Amino acid sequence: GENVEQHPSTLSVQEGDSAVIKCTYSDSASNYFPWYKQELGKGPQLIIDIRSNVGEKKDQRIAVTLNKTAKHFSLHITETQPEDSAVYFCAARRYNFNKFYFGSGTKLNVKP
Amino acid sequence: DVKVTQSSRYLVKRTGEKVFLECVQDMDHENMFWYRQDPGLGLRLIYFSYDVKMKEKGDIPEGYSVSREKKERFSLILESASTNQTSMYLCASSLGRRGENEQFFGPGTRLTVL
Repeated sequence: GENVEQHPSTLSVQEGDSAVIKCTYSDSASNYFPWYKQELGKGPQLIIDIRSNVGEKKDQRIAVTLNKTAKHFSLHITETQPEDSAVYFCAARRYNFNKFYFGSGTKLNVKP
Repeated sequence: DVKVTQSSRYLVKRTGEKVFLECVQDMDHENMFWYRQDPGLGLRLIYFSYDVKMKEKGDIPEGYSVSREKKERFSLILESASTNQTSMYLCASSLGRRGENEQFFGPGTRLTVL
């Protein structure tokens, strides 16, 4: 099965700085890579995703990059704000499969 | 907006009790999922269902069972709760026969087994 590794487990940045979270996956058949944000007391919520036919995707201050050859993908948050503080999860899924494999999570703390 | 609701936010049970966790979604999604969330382990899939009365085991099904009698409702059952089942349980749903779309999560149920 798929194995998704996520680093770092905790990340502390100053407001306005950038934050980068990295994930690697093992199954070359995985083709869909979502990122979820989980705020305290809430369930995870999708913030951005990327499919394997695309190398990069941006949505305002958030971007995701994918390197299929190296089997890794990253979340980039620019101009971080205190409300970005949360736990972030990456995930991977094979085409036509119901199962998502999640990373272990990164707790991001943005200091004002 | 898609809404996934879970019957309890917090639950305390005793070892050996039978525990039911209920999940309801209001968007007519085919797929529903139960995950367990533990620190440092991320989200691990317990069971999922892609249709009424259909279920498939996830990565950690031992000690759990599920029921899906209606499309909107997916129940997780702990037949005989044990302390190692103390965890956060998350329900999710998604559209599409093969789960090709975004998963929407409920707020979670924090279960403590004493």
